[in-house]
Amino acid sequence: GESVGLHLPTLSVQEGDNSIINCAYSNSASDYFIWYKQESGKGPQFIIDIRSNMDKRQGQRVTVLLNKTVKHLSLQIAATQPGDSAVYFCAEISAWDDKIIFGKGTRLHILP
Amino acid sequence: KAGVTQTPRYLIKTRGQQVTLSCSPISGHRSVSWYQQTPGQGLQFLFEYFSETQRNKGNFPGRFSGRQFSNSRSEMNVSTLELGDSALYLCASSLSSRGETQYFGPGTRLLVL
Repeated sequence: GESVGLHLPTLSVQEGDNSIINCAYSNSASDYFIWYKQESGKGPQFIIDIRSNMDKRQGQRVTVLLNKTVKHLSLQIAATQPGDSAVYFCAEISAWDDKIIFGKGTRLHILP
Repeated sequence: KAGVTQTPRYLIKTRGQQVTLSCSPISGHRSVSWYQQTPGQGLQFLFEYFSETQRNKGNFPGRFSGRQFSNSRSEMNVSTLELGDSALYLCASSLSSRGETQYFGPGTRLLVL
């Protein structure tokens, strides 16, 4: 399949364990954050989002945590499955100018 | 509801040629953004179109251009191709603003020889 990024940081997690993927964002004016999942050969797929007036949001098996004090975002995946293998990107959006900044991505590798 | 579609999926060109890529957004979405994705640079914003007008533009040379039609479908064009233009070109649509959740297409893989 196509390689999204040859030099991305990689997180290796045992199947069934929880995964935590971190992202440091850069713009203190960003007020909307999204996590995307990109599988080989596909475009990024929306996973979960969070607005700056929240510090936690839960979806199905995923939780996003936002710490505005240190400009940090994390994605937690519960009970990681082989299908979770992908590159995960965070994106920050500023309401001021609609500017979107994507993180470089983290490759999640599931160990059997 | 059908997702974002992009054509072609794969393309091989030689230096100096030009290329046109097409994107059909999700029905009802009026904002279309284009991105270039490479292993070294990650996702980089090219431009955004809304109601047939370019609303935002990234830091790419004038060889990269685009347009949007009345049905919200969009095309991007790259003229005088360079080897460094080899990348995955992604189109994303959203309801009305780039600041909203964007839904991506599968991308067009361009290889410049």
